Amino acid sequence: AQSVTQLDSHVSVSEGTPVLLRCNYSSSYSPSLFWYVQHPNKGLQLLLKYTSAATLVKGINGFEAEFKKSETSFHLTKPSAHMSDAAEYFCVVSAPILTGGGNKLTFGTGTQLKVEL
Amino acid sequence: NAGVTQTPKFRVLKTGQSMTLLCAQDMNHEYMYWYRQDPGMGLRLIHYSVGEGTTAKGEVPDGYNVSRLKKQNFLLGLESAAPSQTSVYFCASRYLQGNTEAFFGQGTRLTVV
Repeated sequence: AQSVTQLDSHVSVSEGTPVLLRCNYSSSYSPSLFWYVQHPNKGLQLLLKYTSAATLVKGINGFEAEFKKSETSFHLTKPSAHMSDAAEYFCVVSAPILTGGGNKLTFGTGTQLKVEL
Repeated sequence: NAGVTQTPKFRVLKTGQSMTLLCAQDMNHEYMYWYRQDPGMGLRLIHYSVGEGTTAKGEVPDGYNVSRLKKQNFLLGLESAAPSQTSVYFCASRYLQGNTEAFFGQGTRLTVV
């Protein structure tokens, strides 16, 4: 079984300040983890992914996330927010293919990021 | 390269009507999925397929049926639409090998009145 908890449904930051979007996961196996972004009325775009290589993962648009097994966390960060970062962000977990659970991606409920001037 | 294409993009149905949503992918992916997105609930898995001719139930399958007669296509059917099925529907696909990311379509906004 696997699950994802996004700890904040809404986050508001000022432009130029750091962004932190929190994600905790639960998985019976070593998971793969993803962050997707969805801009208003758009589809989902992959920001970054962790698939058991380096624990610090760099993604597009300056975002990065760190996989911490001991804390079962995969928080998303960005040093300096931009107005264009305003969107909804989803943390997603997937178990290894061979476990039989890897064919499903489980989504968190999303974090709405607001960026103010 | 089109990726994942969903048809239609918008639809309004009356309660009790039926319809089929089409998902097509040109990446030769084995896995395909249908999700629905509702405010505050993230994306929830309706049905999925691990290959041509196979389908399986996800988290919220009731009221939906699916078929995967060809590897590149995954159809989602609503036999008798209900207002509770008003949602945005997303199709996705991914490779079998490795725990890779999924690629998503642009979504279908369905309203049942």
